[in-house]
Amino acid sequence: SQQGEEDPQALSIQEGENATMNCSYKTSINNLQWYRQNSGRGLVHLILIRSNEREKHSGRLRVTLDTSKKSSSLLITASRAADTASYFCATDGGANSKLTFGKGITLSVRP
Amino acid sequence: EPEVTQTPSHQVTQMGQEVILRCVPISNHLYFYWYRQILGQKVEFLVSFYNNEISEKSEIFDDQFSVERPDGSNFTLKIRSTKLEDSAMYFCASSPRTEGTQYFGPGTRLLVL
Repeated sequence: SQQGEEDPQALSIQEGENATMNCSYKTSINNLQWYRQNSGRGLVHLILIRSNEREKHSGRLRVTLDTSKKSSSLLITASRAADTASYFCATDGGANSKLTFGKGITLSVRP
Repeated sequence: EPEVTQTPSHQVTQMGQEVILRCVPISNHLYFYWYRQILGQKVEFLVSFYNNEISEKSEIFDDQFSVERPDGSNFTLKIRSTKLEDSAMYFCASSPRTEGTQYFGPGTRLLVL
């Protein structure tokens, strides 16, 4: 299995609803980051959570990290049509700073 | 807000040709990376670069690939003899320090015919 596996693979919600996306990983990490990618575009950094942190907020985003379960979740509250994109979690291992990405979750927010 | 830029945005080339993808990282960043994303697949790490040398490279980054920081601002990825399977979106990223946020450019879409 690959490092950084997200679920669900696709999520469709109504505008105004909350979207929860999950990510699991296999090896120990230093940081876990979430990125957004609009179709065919670049990766936009959303939020970084360190391995010694359990929860972090940024605007409408809430990220949790459970290192005992090797999992993270990204919650987008009060979703908007503009949140429609693919979302990726990415981990780094500390001394080795490359990012290992999951396959991503496609979020569709219906107006 | 400073951002990573990449040129060209699109590149079409014939198999066997050399291509150079260019990136201008954020000016005070010290760590530089190349990733690629084959259509419909996950983003894959290629190489990281610090202090004018490669820090780490993946299995994908074979002898056909090279990176260079020819001056104080540009960071380039060269593919010497392109193959069909090199067709992908190539992303450059930079970071002010290791183990931190990596800021990605908009990507270069490479199509090898």
